[in-house]
Amino acid sequence: AQSVAQPEDQVNVAEGNPLTVKCTYSVSGNPYLFWYVQYPNRGLQFLLKYITGDNLVKGSYGFEAEFNKSQTSFHLKKPSALVSDSALYFCAVRDQAAGNKLTFGGGTRVLVKP
Amino acid sequence: DGGITQSPKYLFRKEGQNVTLSCEQNLNHDAMYWYRQDPGQGLRLIYYSQIVNDFQKGDIAEGYSVSREKKESFPLTVTSAQKNPTAFYLCASSKGLPGLGQISEQFFGPGTRLTVL
Repeated sequence: AQSVAQPEDQVNVAEGNPLTVKCTYSVSGNPYLFWYVQYPNRGLQFLLKYITGDNLVKGSYGFEAEFNKSQTSFHLKKPSALVSDSALYFCAVRDQAAGNKLTFGGGTRVLVKP
Repeated sequence: DGGITQSPKYLFRKEGQNVTLSCEQNLNHDAMYWYRQDPGQGLRLIYYSQIVNDFQKGDIAEGYSVSREKKESFPLTVTSAQKNPTAFYLCASSKGLPGLGQISEQFFGPGTRLTVL
């Protein structure tokens, strides 16, 4: 069975500084990886996905993620964080045995301070 | 949240009562999903459906039931057998069916917050 780990419950960063949210995964086959963001009392919004190809994936709102097969990681990054980036971020991996079923990490809360 | 609606936004349930959460999508997606989100935890899959009139249990299906009579609708019933139903419930949909090799992201609704009184 696949799994996803987000080792940090919370990340604090000053506005304008780089932001990194960590994610590691475990799958038996090819990894298909996703990042989502959730604002308070809202649904999840899709940021980006890695299916195949370039290890650096660019997504919405200036976010990007780097796929590293040897380290089984898919860290989310943003070069310059905004206060409005404060939210809950989820990493997810697709379950190849069941269509597009996703397994989610526990989430990382990002707090960007002015 | 565009394209997927959930209602109601807030729902209160008395002990021993069944309640049904609505989820509708106009994205023409084949697959639909129900997740439960508890504070400090990630999303856990309750049920999913990859085609009309078919659905499968997820990781925490006990105490829940679903139906998929129409492509655009996937209602979730929280039964009295669910001992701790207070949570935030999220519905999602995606295109593609198994075997077609489509790897598409899921689109989420705005959620329903269920509280047991």
